[in-house]
Amino acid sequence: GQNIDQPTEMTATEGAIVQINCTYQTSGFNGLFWYQQHAGEAPTFLSYNVLDGLEEKGRFSSFLSRSKGYSYLLLKELQMKDSASYLCAVRGRYNQGGKLIFGQGTELSVKP
Amino acid sequence: GAVVSQHPSRVICKSGTSVKIECRSLDFQATTMFWYRQFPKQSLMLMATSNEGSKATYEQGVEKDKFLINHASLTLSTLTVTSAHPEDSSFYICSARDEGGNTEAFFGQGTRLTVV
Repeated sequence: GQNIDQPTEMTATEGAIVQINCTYQTSGFNGLFWYQQHAGEAPTFLSYNVLDGLEEKGRFSSFLSRSKGYSYLLLKELQMKDSASYLCAVRGRYNQGGKLIFGQGTELSVKP
Repeated sequence: GAVVSQHPSRVICKSGTSVKIECRSLDFQATTMFWYRQFPKQSLMLMATSNEGSKATYEQGVEKDKFLINHASLTLSTLTVTSAHPEDSSFYICSARDEGGNTEAFFGQGTRLTVV
């Protein structure tokens, strides 16, 4: 079975740093994705991890530990426009269709 | 980057009618596309995996006779909501992966379906 957990909501201050955690238990693993979604819009890709370690891309970084079934998304220098839902998703093996299974999403509110 | 186009973006239909939603990969071929449904304040729930030239694979609890999926070409998958009811009102999103090498899945713009 598949189980992906992340906090429902978080609040942070403009200019600060926030870390959104994601834990997963899946029958197959072929990568972990983070997406950003604003209300009423489709998700947009932020990051992809398939090996352990940290991937950095501008203000966003994502970390993966496969042995612990754990990932986090780190957002630096928060801006008001970063207020959105952040979705953690795990990809199954390609022989299982390679489908993405999403966590429930973390609603981030950035305050002035 | 790769683009997935979904149409229509919004549709309102009467109960009992059917609605077709199209998902196109514009600059890449996609042998596999995925259909998701999202209710307000909830995450994306995978409905089915659409396979080009073969039957779709439906997730547990999703009625295949109600949500008809056709993937007739490498760039087009369609989802038809048959005999729609108000509880089918939701945000439907498709995604596709560029088989040519990109790792990320690209999402369509989504379709807001309202059944009245």
